[in-house]
Parts: sequence; structure tokens; C-alpha cells
Amino acid sequence: RKEVEQDPGPFNVPEGATVAFNCTYSNSASQSFFWYRQDCRKEPKLLMSVYSSGNEDGRFTAQLNRASQYISLLIRDSKLSDSATYLCVVNIEPSNTGNQFYFGTGTSLTVIP
Amino acid sequence: GAGVSQSPSNKVTEKGKDVELRCDPISGHTALYWYRQSLGQGLEFLIYFQGNSAPDKSGLPSDRFSAERTGGSVSTLTIQRTQQEDSAVYLCASSLIGTGNYEQYFGPGTRLTVT
Repeated sequence: RKEVEQDPGPFNVPEGATVAFNCTYSNSASQSFFWYRQDCRKEPKLLMSVYSSGNEDGRFTAQLNRASQYISLLIRDSKLSDSATYLCVVNIEPSNTGNQFYFGTGTSLTVIP
Repeated sequence: GAGVSQSPSNKVTEKGKDVELRCDPISGHTALYWYRQSLGQGLEFLIYFQGNSAPDKSGLPSDRFSAERTGGSVSTLTIQRTQQEDSAVYLCASSLIGTGNYEQYFGPGTRLTVT
């Protein structure tokens, strides 16, 4: 079973739409959670950390549900520039091999004019 | 401040040759990670360093792959006797280990092409 699972999409949405991505993780010892964004042929870049109480950054809202072991990302008022692959990342520390990050395979989003 | 840097940005090599990839993490970041990403695929974990030691080498695909880190800073990933299936983007990331949330920051990657 994969540590982190995401729907690969693709999600094709019109400009201005609201879109939500979910991600599930298998290890209940997971401690830190993140969403990264990766543009085509570029490195992943941190979009936002996900806190237990949920957090918002402009049009982006992240939620964590520890009981069900999933995290979500909501994007409101989608812009063309939001088109990218969104990676769900889970951190487990300490583990028997030290600090470790687990990446989902990513969800592809295309915002259409 | 300066981010994670990697060199070279692109490397084309012939099958069977050895290559060395370099990563300069963010100053003060104690943890360093190597990943690789094939075209259209997700990130594949290779190895993780905490300081100069590597608690987790489980992702190295074969004994042709090795990595070291010296002085708790720069890391090199060496691939011996390269094969065509080694062609990928090799990404390095660093992280500050501590309490609370700590994020990984990625370098721009080295695009390796084995011909």
C-alpha cells in the first residue's frame, strides 16, 4: 500500500471555478503535511503547510482530517496560472530511518479560459 | 537568501560512463534528500542524509548508485556505469530539522540523459 495516495486527475476546470483535491495517507504516525505545486519541467515548490486546525492563504485552503487520514486542498476563483500538478506530502518523524517525507504522485490541474 | 543549488543543470553522457551530480543545500539545513523524477512520473526517493550520515538509503535503485555528504553541507550523487534507464531529472531538497512543521526546499534539478 502506498504511503500517500492522490487522484491523478486530470482536473480541467474553467477560470473562476472552485476545485478541491483530496489525498489520503496510510501511516497514522504522520506528523506534518504539505501541499507542493510543480509546474511542467520545474522543481516542486512549497504551496502551503497543512495545520491541524486548517489554514487559509488567499484563495487556497488546506484541511487535515487525522481521524480519516486525509488532507485536502481547496482552490477558489481558479486562475489560469493555477494550472500545475499539486503534490500531497506527508512527513513522519521520528521513524526507524529518521526523518522521511512521502510524496503523492500528484494531481494535474488545468484551468481553462 | 540563497536556495538549494544543483550542478550541472544538464548532463548528457554515454552509456557506461560514470557521472557525479552535486547539491548545495540551504545554509544551516541539516537534512538533505535526493529524488529522481522520470518524465511524467512522480518523485522517487533515493536517499536521505541527516548531517553527514545516511539513515535511509532504501531508495537507491542499485549498487551503481552512491551518495555522500561532507561537512554537513554539499552532497554528491554518483552513478557508475550509467544505463539508459538512469535518464531522469535528479532533484535535491533540504530541510531544517526541528520541532513543528519543517518544509523541504528543492533545487532546480539536474537533467541526466544517457545515450
